[in-house]
Amino acid sequence: QKEVEQDPGPLSVPEGAIVSLNCTYSNSAFQYFMWYRQYSRKGPELLMYTYSSGNKEDGRFTAQVDKSSKYISLFIRDSQPSDSATYLCAMSARYSSASKIIFGSGTRLSIRP
Amino acid sequence: GAVVSQHPSWVICKSGTSVKIECRSLDFQATTMFWYRQFPKQSLMLMATSNEGSKATYEQGVEKDKFLINHASLTLSTLTVTSAHPEDSSFYICSARTGTNEKLFFGSGTQLSVL
Repeated sequence: QKEVEQDPGPLSVPEGAIVSLNCTYSNSAFQYFMWYRQYSRKGPELLMYTYSSGNKEDGRFTAQVDKSSKYISLFIRDSQPSDSATYLCAMSARYSSASKIIFGSGTRLSIRP
Repeated sequence: GAVVSQHPSWVICKSGTSVKIECRSLDFQATTMFWYRQFPKQSLMLMATSNEGSKATYEQGVEKDKFLINHASLTLSTLTVTSAHPEDSSFYICSARTGTNEKLFFGSGTQLSVL
């Protein structure tokens, strides 16, 4: 079983729809949770960063962490064609210089005009 | 957010030659840098972790003599693919961490094609 599971998609939704992206994990020690967006042939871009449980909102993006269920989500409101990309969840345990960040496999998202 | 610059963005080389890829943190000191490899439509595969001033730690299955990593300063890490072969063709991405939190910032990637 992978430490982090993420549906690879592809996920296709019409412009303006609300998008829900999710990851599950098995390591209860994870405390830091991140979402990255990656366009084709580009490096990932940090979208959201959350520590422990709860919600965080930034513009059209909302990140949710439910540690009791070991489940994290990223919601995109009023989706735009420019949101079409691969979205990677990432997480790590208590911080140290040697701690690894574990990535999900990524979900490919396509927003139809 | 912090900026990580990676060069070159693409490189084509002949089989048997060596290629160096640079990764620089432009506005912060990167105590730890990571190198990843990514195949089309696949996720990131961690190759190695480098801390400034010490030897890199390689993931299982990654040949350290093939992929030489140097992290000589707090703002620069290099990956050298030695004696490159066509099977080394891939997208290589570096990332850097500030040392104060878990946020990881990525370079723009390097597409390596070995003929």
